[in-house]
Amino acid sequence: EVQLVESGGGLVQPGGSLRLSCAASGFTFSSYWMSWVRQAPGKGLEWVANIKQDGSEKYYVDSVKGRFTISRDNAKNSLYLQMNSLRAEDTAVYYCARDLGYFLLRGAFDIWGQGTMVTVSS
Amino acid sequence: EIVLTQSPGTLSLSPGERATLSCRASQSVSSSYLAWYQQKPGQAPRLLIYGASSRATGIPDRFSGSGSGTDFTLTISRLEPEDFAVYYCQQYGSSSVTFGQGTKLEIK
Repeated sequence: EVQLVESGGGLVQPGGSLRLSCAASGFTFSSYWMSWVRQAPGKGLEWVANIKQDGSEKYYVDSVKGRFTISRDNAKNSLYLQMNSLRAEDTAVYYCARDLGYFLLRGAFDIWGQGTMVTVSS
Repeated sequence: EIVLTQSPGTLSLSPGERATLSCRASQSVSSSYLAWYQQKPGQAPRLLIYGASSRATGIPDRFSGSGSGTDFTLTISRLEPEDFAVYYCQQYGSSSVTFGQGTKLEIK
């Protein structure tokens, strides 16, 4: 079964750090672009970052540039999001998502994890 | 950054009716990179349409997408009870992804 499972969410104080993980299974992880997408409580979806198959290209939404770092370990079939200098507005459910394209970037997300909640509060 | 504006914000219809959801972009979007998602409470989004008009795997043919340039439409031909949810359009371009704010499709 094709699956993505996120972990690492929790409660953190403003200014703190958190590292999210996403474990992939059931497909050739190293063949796909991967993304993080978040959703604040009661709000819409916001793309956060994506990473190319070999990690050579990474892109971020402006609001997290310089604070968040996306990475992957293809040997472990895992995607990561290192989040530093967290702010209250980063509070959201964070989803990892697979790009539709096999080797090619299609810009749509066909497989999603169940999400992990990050709460930034004192 | 391309801004996607969805309308209406809320659509109230009955099962069996036809639903038409709109997504307008602030600048031209490549049709290859326009997608639609369905999200139900407590669930992750589900890909419905990619490339503006191609149905994703397992999506019923009552869902269809159309449009080009700055105006795109998701049509649900005959609403089933399980179709009542929030729908998002999404575009990819210039190494960035943006989503519309969503349309809530509710039972009338």
